[in-house]
Amino acid sequence: GAGVSQTPSNKVTEKGKYVELRCDPISGHTALYWYRQSLGQGPEFLIYFQGTGAADDSGLPNDRFFAVRPEGSVSTLKIQRTERGDSAVYLCASRDAAGGRRTGELFFGEGSRLTVL
Amino acid sequence: QKEVEQDPGPLSVPEGAIVSLNCTYSNSAFQYFMWYRQYSRKGPELLMYTYSSGNKEDGRFTAQVDKSSKYISLFIRDSQPSDSATYLCAMSGTGGFKTIFGAGTRLFVKA
Repeated sequence: GAGVSQTPSNKVTEKGKYVELRCDPISGHTALYWYRQSLGQGPEFLIYFQGTGAADDSGLPNDRFFAVRPEGSVSTLKIQRTERGDSAVYLCASRDAAGGRRTGELFFGEGSRLTVL
Repeated sequence: QKEVEQDPGPLSVPEGAIVSLNCTYSNSAFQYFMWYRQYSRKGPELLMYTYSSGNKEDGRFTAQVDKSSKYISLFIRDSQPSDSATYLCAMSGTGGFKTIFGAGTRLFVKA
């Protein structure tokens, strides 16, 4: 499809397990963002990539969280030693930042709903 | 104090009412101001986008930005049941467009 694709849509895991969440952005979008949204809250910024590099990872809550985007397209958010407090919807968004486009519109996927038991 | 403050509601109005939603913020570096709409179990979608201060109108929707007061608003005229959703204000500075969201206001429009 033409939109941002996130897999899995739902993930249930046990406390202490390792989890990977995948994001496939809109083709050609050079900027990619990860957000976390808890119930009744707005999206909380985690990290954003410009190309392959993490331009701002100030929102990652601790060193259990890590994200990569090795080829400048697909990104994976990795969570080690999951805790119950990590339960949330993890949203990915992409933005067309090529050619100096000065637009801030983010295109979101439908999210990966993570439940840690 | 959060960078962006938004009353989470819920806000319930009858069909046809004018809806007023607003946010305040503390970071004077914000230059881009947006409203996203989010339906249940979906990702947010951009509704309105404004650069710096001023008003912008698009159909039944009007966005206002007052940078001197650090206050932004979204007005919905002739509200419809299909407008029932969560409305998120969002803002960013220049550069990489790290976008900060408000908590979202849940709106219910009753037929």
